[in-house]
Amino acid sequence: EAGVTQFPSHSVIEKGQTVTLRCDPISGHDNLYWYRRVMGKEIKFLLHFVKESKQDESGMPNNRFLAERTGGTYSTLKVQPAELEDSGVYFCASSLGSFDEQYFGPGTRLTVT
Amino acid sequence: QKEVEQDPGPLSVPEGAIVSLNCTYSNSAFQYFMWYRQYSRKGPELLMYTYSSGNKEDGRFTAQVDKSSKYISLFIRDSQPSDSATYLCASHYSGGYQKVTFGTGTKLQVIP
Repeated sequence: EAGVTQFPSHSVIEKGQTVTLRCDPISGHDNLYWYRRVMGKEIKFLLHFVKESKQDESGMPNNRFLAERTGGTYSTLKVQPAELEDSGVYFCASSLGSFDEQYFGPGTRLTVT
Repeated sequence: QKEVEQDPGPLSVPEGAIVSLNCTYSNSAFQYFMWYRQYSRKGPELLMYTYSSGNKEDGRFTAQVDKSSKYISLFIRDSQPSDSATYLCASHYSGGYQKVTFGTGTKLQVIP
């Protein structure tokens, strides 16, 4: 069974540009989570989808971040425009049910210069 | 104050040693406690999952939670070089879903 996949693995963009990160959860997992780790800090929750609906987006830092999950399958996280402080590793996780184990992807390393 | 505090290490031990990793937390509403293992360039992988206070053992790994002191521990017996990784403690509230709060992680190196 394929795990959670994320694309790209690494992205380097300039301040002010737009970047879109993609997450493909494990097939059949209704729950999808985005987390972020900025340099030297802990991994922090960004938001949670149940199918295509946003269950909780309390961790989204500001309105430059937009997450979507059309059709309840893969999800995208767009950062527009990117700022220097957005640099970090963005993790996606998925779980079958809300109380089930979350399986994490390898992360996308975003560098904003 | 961070909700979950963890010494970042690094911690270096010889193969076969007993490893003790510790965290403290501040949020009394946390009911579930986890340890994740993260290898370099990989995502976190759930290692241990416990509810409330008590011990849980799985092979060479033992997780302990003391809610009275808000202290979380992970013990690794007979440590192996393959245990070299970053260990993240984490917690979440009861009910709802797993909005996980992580510590910063402790980097462990087991030297052959």
